[in-house]
Amino acid sequence: DQQVKQNSPSLSVQEGRISILNCDYTNSMFDYFLWYKKYPAEGPTFLISISSIKDKNEDGRFTVFLNKSAKHLSLHIVPSQPGDSAVYFCAASARDTSGTYKYIFGTGTRLKVLA
Amino acid sequence: DTGVSQDPRHKITKRGQNVTFRCDPISEHNRLYWYRQTLGQGPEFLTYFQNEAQLEKSRLLSDRFSAERPKGSFSTLEIQRTEQGDSAMYLCASSLGLAAQETQYFGPGTRLLVL
Repeated sequence: DQQVKQNSPSLSVQEGRISILNCDYTNSMFDYFLWYKKYPAEGPTFLISISSIKDKNEDGRFTVFLNKSAKHLSLHIVPSQPGDSAVYFCAASARDTSGTYKYIFGTGTRLKVLA
Repeated sequence: DTGVSQDPRHKITKRGQNVTFRCDPISEHNRLYWYRQTLGQGPEFLTYFQNEAQLEKSRLLSDRFSAERPKGSFSTLEIQRTEQGDSAMYLCASSLGLAAQETQYFGPGTRLLVL
């Protein structure tokens, strides 16, 4: 049962244009969402997060949008740069029955920014 | 550098051997997490420590896996009698441990190959 889904395994975007990465979730108890970027042979690097009490959060070129009714979040990167080429994971968390906040990750979207 | 560190970065072993990985979290981070990532998947939660107490273990963590965090600082993950299916990237993450919704910061991972 995949609670967090990233349905696009890959995305190619021209340098300078907008990259939009999408993520869907099924568990309405999720209340904290994050995006991580991962380069090959490295661990995930935190990019941006959003709490369920918000619908938008910005940090420089990165903006995350949350649509709770649709159980959907997206990451916008504007303008896209070649250095943004990486695998992007969305993650969601909720307090489980043991009181632990665990992250559930999607399967990732590989972004390629073309120069 | 004060990020999460993991050692070794790579490990090749023969089936049936025991392996041990180490994780040093960001100093003053009370929570420490272990994840496993296989090809084409996002990181999957294995276990979690609040200081020295192991509070949660995933069903993915079979009896051959054991994790410790003596003194609430570094942590070790041991896999006994390794199997080829254990081949994966093992990721460690840490967070402050002061709030429910917190960002987890990941280390570079240990890539295990079981021959």
